[in-house]
Amino acid sequence: HLQLQESGPGLVKPSETLSLTCTVSGGSMTTSSYYWGWIRQPPGGGLEWIGNINYIASTYYNSSLRNRVTMSIDTSMNQFSLKLSSVSAADTAVYYCARLQLWSRLFDDWGQGTLVTVSS
Amino acid sequence: DFVMTQSPLSLSVTLGQPASISCRSSQSLVYSDGNTYLNWFQQRPGQSPRPLIYKVSKRDSGVPDRFSGSGSATDFTLKISRVEAEDVGVYYCMEGTHWPPSITFGQGTRLEI
Repeated sequence: HLQLQESGPGLVKPSETLSLTCTVSGGSMTTSSYYWGWIRQPPGGGLEWIGNINYIASTYYNSSLRNRVTMSIDTSMNQFSLKLSSVSAADTAVYYCARLQLWSRLFDDWGQGTLVTVSS
Repeated sequence: DFVMTQSPLSLSVTLGQPASISCRSSQSLVYSDGNTYLNWFQQRPGQSPRPLIYKVSKRDSGVPDRFSGSGSATDFTLKISRVEAEDVGVYYCMEGTHWPPSITFGQGTRLEI
């Protein structure tokens, strides 16, 4: 059974860069059948797609965040990462990593999420 | 801009009664391959989203058959035939038809008993 686990600082200062890593276990990342994604959820709010990356580092980002988002992948470590620059309080959210199944376009497995607070 | 609109935003249902949630898209979700990539998720309090339905009407593994999805093009519905206490949470539709490059979630519908 696939498991995803987010990790990274829970507190980031305004204007700095948020960095998170998702570690995948119980399955291979080196398959063309999936992309790997980040989704966030502000406190009390809804889900917002951030972006996806595949095993050869092909990426797609939400246009509203594109100028600030960078995703990377390290299949040897079974990890993929998110960097979000120039953060503000509006970036405070629970950040989820998830696997996107290409044939259904369904996020079929999710991490438990990690809360990142932007505050000085 | 492309928009996914759910209604109602909040729903109160009696145990054992049916529930219905609507999701409407501002553009058709029929992809060039003939598939419609409209999915539904359940998020129980304090938990990660859980996939329920993919491609409009197909239940994900382990999802009870009281959950069903229907619809076409721009109008979609998630139905719960008999609501149980464990169904409390927020339900989201999500479209994958426009990916790449983008994925859009509905704003969510809160279900309470």
